[in-house]
Amino acid sequence: DGGITQSPKYLFRKEGQNVTLSCEQNLNHDAMYWYRQDPGQGLRLIYYSQIVNDFQKGDIAEGYSVSREKKESFPLTVTSAQKNPTAFYLCASSISHTNQPQHFGDGTRLSIL
Amino acid sequence: DQQVKQNSPSLSVQEGRISILNCDYTNSMFDYFLWYKKYPAEGPTFLISISSIKDKNEDGRFTVFLNKSAKHLSLHIVPSQPGDSAVYFCAASARAAGNKLTFGGGTRVLVKP
Repeated sequence: DGGITQSPKYLFRKEGQNVTLSCEQNLNHDAMYWYRQDPGQGLRLIYYSQIVNDFQKGDIAEGYSVSREKKESFPLTVTSAQKNPTAFYLCASSISHTNQPQHFGDGTRLSIL
Repeated sequence: DQQVKQNSPSLSVQEGRISILNCDYTNSMFDYFLWYKKYPAEGPTFLISISSIKDKNEDGRFTVFLNKSAKHLSLHIVPSQPGDSAVYFCAASARAAGNKLTFGGGTRVLVKP
């Protein structure tokens, strides 16, 4: 089955630690995205990548980093510089050209111990 | 500033009746609009989209209407079913900004049997 896989589903981080969230897709999509959702709010864009080896900051990139070394993979690192990392993180992908829907994984919930 | 707003945080409707969800936007550059459905602890599922060259798009029980002059779109679900109970997000993108989506805050729909 084609889709987007995010792992782990739940993640706990100690203060001062960096953690990396995995996102893999087998849809052959060029573009991939990371969003953050806080309780009762909409999704906010963290980073996005339209093509391998290239990525851009979204609206709330501070305290996060990404890489796009392979078309299928777009890992997100939540660094210790992110002061409020507790949230639900969603990865999405789409065909690269415009006016195409993004398809989402099932998310990773990150909590601080 | 919120470029996409869903002013009704919740909606309750009787099974079999129509659900109408509303969304307003401020950015006149937006030219593609989408609706997503989301269950707790899952990623959003794409429902339906509309390009700015149209004013209506229909897919089964779901119809999206776009009023460009009012910068307003709505999603009609008819007839509503208990399985439609979820949070619905509208989203918008601008061709000039690639495929970046801006999301509204969501509307929680409860369909009562």
